[in-house]
Amino acid sequence: EDQVTQSPEALRLQEGESSSLNCSYTVSGLRGLFWYRQDPGKGPEFLFTLYSAGEEKEKERLKATLTKKESFLHITAPKPEDSATYLCAVRLRYNFNKFYFGSGTKLNVKP
Amino acid sequence: GAVVSQHPSWVICKSGTSVKIECRSLDFQATTMFWYRQFPKQSLMLMATSNEGSKATYEQGVEKDKFLINHASLTLSTLTVTSAHPEDSSFYICSASETGRGYSPLHFGNGTRLTVT
Repeated sequence: EDQVTQSPEALRLQEGESSSLNCSYTVSGLRGLFWYRQDPGKGPEFLFTLYSAGEEKEKERLKATLTKKESFLHITAPKPEDSATYLCAVRLRYNFNKFYFGSGTKLNVKP
Repeated sequence: GAVVSQHPSWVICKSGTSVKIECRSLDFQATTMFWYRQFPKQSLMLMATSNEGSKATYEQGVEKDKFLINHASLTLSTLTVTSAHPEDSSFYICSASETGRGYSPLHFGNGTRLTVT
């Protein structure tokens, strides 16, 4: 069964304390893995697309990596404005109108 | 690029009335759009897949007569909540992926907060 699992559910960091969020996936075929940031009361904002194992993407303090089973979102020296819920999603290779979302990691960065 | 506009951002209506929510892809065409519902502190729940020029595909448990979806053009999908009741109060979000780009992500609107009194 196609499935996406994110961990941890919630993460509290001090400003400047680097960490990683995990997205594990079990799918019949991966077309793409996507990371989003969602602020309260807003729609998810697209961050990254990863297509194949070994690929990495960076944007400011965020770096996303992909293996054959999971993806990590690394946050380096986070700031309070990085506080948000981070979602990952996969798009299936054999049914490209199917997107599976994880339940998200709620990140809280304290000053 | 790849902007999705959703309107209204919030709406309050009385029980028994209907509410229409619009979702537009501003700078790309979208044969398929997706409607999600999100409860507080929960992840996205797919309600239906909207297909331009044909009937929407609803997820199990979603009442198609209550949540009417129309995808009239390659840039516009609408969700109408008919005979709304307080339990329909929620955050509704639409999304779309660019037609012909099978590897592209979903782009989301900013959501509509529906409150039924």
